[in-house]
Amino acid sequence: NAGVMQNPRHLVRRRGQEARLRCSPMKGHSHVYWYRQLPEEGLKFMVYLQKENIIDESGMPKERFSAEFPKEGPSILRIQQVVRGDSAAYFCASSDLVRSGAFFGQGTRLTVV
Amino acid sequence: GQNIDQPTEMTATEGAIVQINCTYQTSGFNGLFWYQQHAGEAPTFLSYNVLDGLEEKGRFSSFLSRSKGYSYLLLKELQMKDSASYLCAVLTTDSWGKLQFGAGTQVVVTP
Repeated sequence: NAGVMQNPRHLVRRRGQEARLRCSPMKGHSHVYWYRQLPEEGLKFMVYLQKENIIDESGMPKERFSAEFPKEGPSILRIQQVVRGDSAAYFCASSDLVRSGAFFGQGTRLTVV
Repeated sequence: GQNIDQPTEMTATEGAIVQINCTYQTSGFNGLFWYQQHAGEAPTFLSYNVLDGLEEKGRFSSFLSRSKGYSYLLLKELQMKDSASYLCAVLTTDSWGKLQFGAGTQVVVTP
């Protein structure tokens, strides 16, 4: 009865490096959402994906950020050339229906030093 | 755009009742969620309202008034473990399932 699995839980990167965050949705869920939570702030939507498709990326920064959800394997959120402002908790959520609400993973806490 | 407002912090005593209000302005409303989030952890689902009225689930209840753009989460018989952030989130019909979150209300339960 695994829930939404994210790894790593904690990730430290130096400025300019790349960060890769992984998310495996709950079994049977085909909708994946990524959210970012800055310290003392609420969650902000980044991107919504289905298998092999990006449906809505309206919350993604225009540069350095990309996401994918391949046919096989987890969804990946990739941040290139990280900067200090990218330090945040990144949460993945999955659902079985578009409007059924979402279950969240434990998050990846990215620290850029 | 959408505005979702909730108080920043509330303090209450163990055993008491606390009501967390959430107001929203949105088009194409399709439901309101409440999540609980302990520090450093994932948000966990508490409730979902799409029709007006009160939904009760144990010590937690959630109310919705669509005409007023208003919801509240009621926590009864507060326990120390209820100290957490409570997030109000709105779903809209054109949002493909993405949630718009308020900034969260930090509830502090004191002995």
